[in-house]
Amino acid sequence: AQTVTQSQPEMSVQEAETVTLSCTYDTSENNYYLFWYKQPPSRQMILVIRQEAYKQQNATENRFSVNFQKAAKSFSLKISDSQLGDTAMYFCAFTPVGSNYKLTFGKGTLLTVNP
Amino acid sequence: NAGVMQNPRHLVRRRGQEARLRCSPMKGHSHVYWYRQLPEEGLKFMVYLQKENIIDESGMPKERFSAEFPKEGPSILRIQQVVRGDSAAYFCASSPLDGGNTIYFGEGSWLTVV
Repeated sequence: AQTVTQSQPEMSVQEAETVTLSCTYDTSENNYYLFWYKQPPSRQMILVIRQEAYKQQNATENRFSVNFQKAAKSFSLKISDSQLGDTAMYFCAFTPVGSNYKLTFGKGTLLTVNP
Repeated sequence: NAGVMQNPRHLVRRRGQEARLRCSPMKGHSHVYWYRQLPEEGLKFMVYLQKENIIDESGMPKERFSAEFPKEGPSILRIQQVVRGDSAAYFCASSPLDGGNTIYFGEGSWLTVV
């Protein structure tokens, strides 16, 4: 069974600064996908970024980037130039290739961006 | 292109009543998934459906819960004889015919059992 651990229940950052959210996972699979989802106060689940485990290059989407360390089973999210609209719960998720619908989520990190 | 549509967004039921949650996948998507988010938790997989077929229901509670995705119309998650512990957000997601490697979530339906 896979597990996803987010060790930071809450974090805060000043507007325009950079923040890193941590995520570790445990799996015996070799091929899998990792995701970060954002859940703002509206409670919608929004895909932020996706990483394929077979790709060594870290994924980047505008101000969002990841630090994927496969050997360490670590998948952290870096948010640069934080904006007030980034305030949300952030969930890390894992799914093995072949059953990509069956995501395993962490418990989330509540990020607050302060003006 | 409309996203995954769920209704109702909020539903209040008394203990013992039935709850029905509906989900229309994104246009062109034929795979539907239901997830549940309990308070203070991440989402947990419940069931995977294609048209008229349940593909994987390994996350569904054994009793009172059922799901369907008929040939015509939305997918429905049905909870019979609701209890307070069923209070949660229920998210539907969908993906394209070829499966792909990303699923897209709807905005969720919040069930409150009083």
